[in-house]
Amino acid sequence: SQTIHQWPATLVQPVGSPLSLECTVEGTSNPNLYWYRQAAGRGLQLLFYSVGIGQISSEVPQNLSASRPQDRQFILSSKKLLLSDSGFYLCAWTGGGFYEQYFGPGTRLTVT
Amino acid sequence: TQLLEQSPQFLSIQEGENLTVYCNSSSVFSSLQWYRQEPGEGPVLLVTVVTGGEVKKLKRLTFQFGDARKDSSLHITAAQPGDTGLYLCAGDFGGAQKLVFGQGTRLTINP
Repeated sequence: SQTIHQWPATLVQPVGSPLSLECTVEGTSNPNLYWYRQAAGRGLQLLFYSVGIGQISSEVPQNLSASRPQDRQFILSSKKLLLSDSGFYLCAWTGGGFYEQYFGPGTRLTVT
Repeated sequence: TQLLEQSPQFLSIQEGENLTVYCNSSSVFSSLQWYRQEPGEGPVLLVTVVTGGEVKKLKRLTFQFGDARKDSSLHITAAQPGDTGLYLCAGDFGGAQKLVFGQGTRLTINP
C-alpha cells in the first residue's frame, strides 16, 4: 500500500531563517506531487506541483521554491522566511485518473 | 481562473439533524471530489463524482453531482458528533493535472 510522509511535524523558525520541508511517498512510482498551504482551518492554496523529476510548476509567486530530486521525494524550501509564511503545509500525491489527492500528515510552521 | 464556492462557510447544528453543503462553479468539472479534514491532519478523500446527475452514498452521506457538472452537494442525514470537521470540495477542470479547492465548510455537530 502507498504511504506518504512529511517532516518535521512542527517547526518554529525566526523571520529571515531558511526552510526545508520534505515529503516522500512509498509504494508507488512516478506520482504527481503537490505542496499546499492552509491558513487557519480554511481551504487549500496550491503552491507547487510536479509531474516528474526536476519538473516543477509554481502556482503562486512568493519567496518559496520546490524541488523534486528523486521520483518520490518533494522538497519545499525558502532562503529567508517571512511572517506571512506561517501556516499548515500539506504534501499530496495523485493516485487516480481524476487526480484524487492523498495527503500527508502536514507540517505546522510558525514564523516568529 | 476557475473558482469553487462552498456554502455555508460555517455550520453548527444539533446531533440528529440533517444538513446540506453546496459547492458551485461557473465552469464545468471533469470530476469533483469531497474531502473531510480533522484539526491537525491532512484531508481524507470521501468520494469522487464524474457523471452529471450522479448520486453516491457513503453511509449517512449522500453526494450529488449536478446535471451540468458545475455544482455538487453533500447531504448528511442524522448528523453525529463524529461528523464534525472541515469539508472541502475540489474540482478537476480537465487537463491541468491539478485540483482547485473550495474554501471549505466548517461543520460542528453538538451532542
